[in-house]
Amino acid sequence: ETGVTQSPTHLIKTRGQQVTLRCSSQSGHNTVSWYQQALGQGPQFIFQYYREEENGRGNFPPRFSGLQFPNYSSELNVNALELDDSALYLCASSLGDSPYEQYFGPGTRLTVT
Amino acid sequence: GQQLNQSPQSMFIQEGEDVSMNCTSSSIFNTWLWYKQDPGEGPVLLIALYKAGELTSNGRLTAQFGITRKDSFLNISASIPSDVGIYFCAGPDYNQGGKLIFGQGTELSVKP
Repeated sequence: ETGVTQSPTHLIKTRGQQVTLRCSSQSGHNTVSWYQQALGQGPQFIFQYYREEENGRGNFPPRFSGLQFPNYSSELNVNALELDDSALYLCASSLGDSPYEQYFGPGTRLTVT
Repeated sequence: GQQLNQSPQSMFIQEGEDVSMNCTSSSIFNTWLWYKQDPGEGPVLLIALYKAGELTSNGRLTAQFGITRKDSFLNISASIPSDVGIYFCAGPDYNQGGKLIFGQGTELSVKP
């Protein structure tokens, strides 16, 4: 048990809609990263937030955006959903001085129809 | 860009056997991480390695940071059914702050 929680567990949306996914970090962890994992693949980095600022971004379009709050919880927002956005979305928390030792939540399974 | 290649892609073994898998890259890494993912769950961090040549154990799991810094190995001794899952290696992308690059995974099946 990592102490990282995500909600909702599963979600079904229609193409063109918007979605917000939520993550609560492990206590004391001030850094959160979001990943997209397609079936049969390793996780792909979307972005990372450190102390409420974006600290790095992967090759995802601007319709993927995020927020980190003072209590270190965070959100991933995706606008104008496409069928290819169907995936498992994972958040991972870490300490700022060990940014690569990342502890993952259980994920949100998003299906876009 | 940096890529991690894991082998084998999948393994079918008998309970009690030892398992070895590896991860290689054309680039140098200063940190190697090994994760295990069960179906429908997030990856769980097993072992983190920070120094070339380092050998670190976590129960029946042992991981090594290759001397060339371009590879890492994970061994599981005396496998049990709950070892079933997908094992990922990961390393930092130093060009993109905070990003971990993952291999494509090694899927382990254990026959009781």
